[in-house]
Amino acid sequence: SSEMTQDPAVSVALGQTVRITCQGDSLRSYYASWYQQKPGQAPVLVLYGTNNRPSGIPDRFSGSSSGNTASLTITGAQAEDEADYYCNSRDSSGRHWVFGGGTKLTVL
Amino acid sequence: QVQLQESGPGLVKPSQTLSLTCTVSGGSIRSDNYYWSWIRQPAGKGLEWIGRIFTSGSTNYNPSLKSRVSLSLDTSKNQFSLKLTSVTAADTAVYYCARAYSNYETNWFDPWGQGTLVTVSS
Repeated sequence: SSEMTQDPAVSVALGQTVRITCQGDSLRSYYASWYQQKPGQAPVLVLYGTNNRPSGIPDRFSGSSSGNTASLTITGAQAEDEADYYCNSRDSSGRHWVFGGGTKLTVL
Repeated sequence: QVQLQESGPGLVKPSQTLSLTCTVSGGSIRSDNYYWSWIRQPAGKGLEWIGRIFTSGSTNYNPSLKSRVSLSLDTSKNQFSLKLTSVTAADTAVYYCARAYSNYETNWFDPWGQGTLVTVSS
């Protein structure tokens, strides 16, 4: 079982805002990173650190953290945002890295 | 920019050793800023971190795989490798290599290789 928990599936209407969350005790001490994975493709980093986007990631993607929960927010979701999203951070020891179970985002 | 490419056998027999190599281009594997990592994904399932290696050769592994996994670097070829012993069908997955960055407050993986499917079957 994962030490970080994500909702298995979330849906959002085209153009609306959606929040994808990741819960885990280690998130009280460490920031999560977030990955987007489309079918048949490798994951792509979309957010890291406090709220940083790699070059090429649209600014509709943003991140936040509070307590044991990290969030990825997509403001104005587009059809191309439909994908699986994974969070990553540390385990409870702080020494090992761990992924959340993933959230399948459907854009309606 | 840095690119990573996995290579190795696509089929491994049960109880044997899975061996994969990741070739790094566009940058040096000897950079002190980065770790080099392996991640896997069984079909239809989520991502599982396998382990990481630093340029010094120091390693850290997923506790659930630690007894069977080893990572190594070949700086002369700008490659790093994964060995997973005593494989079973449960080790069938797409295996990704990735460059990783880590500091006191966070870590991330970027870029990733395209992934390679390894099937464990007799």
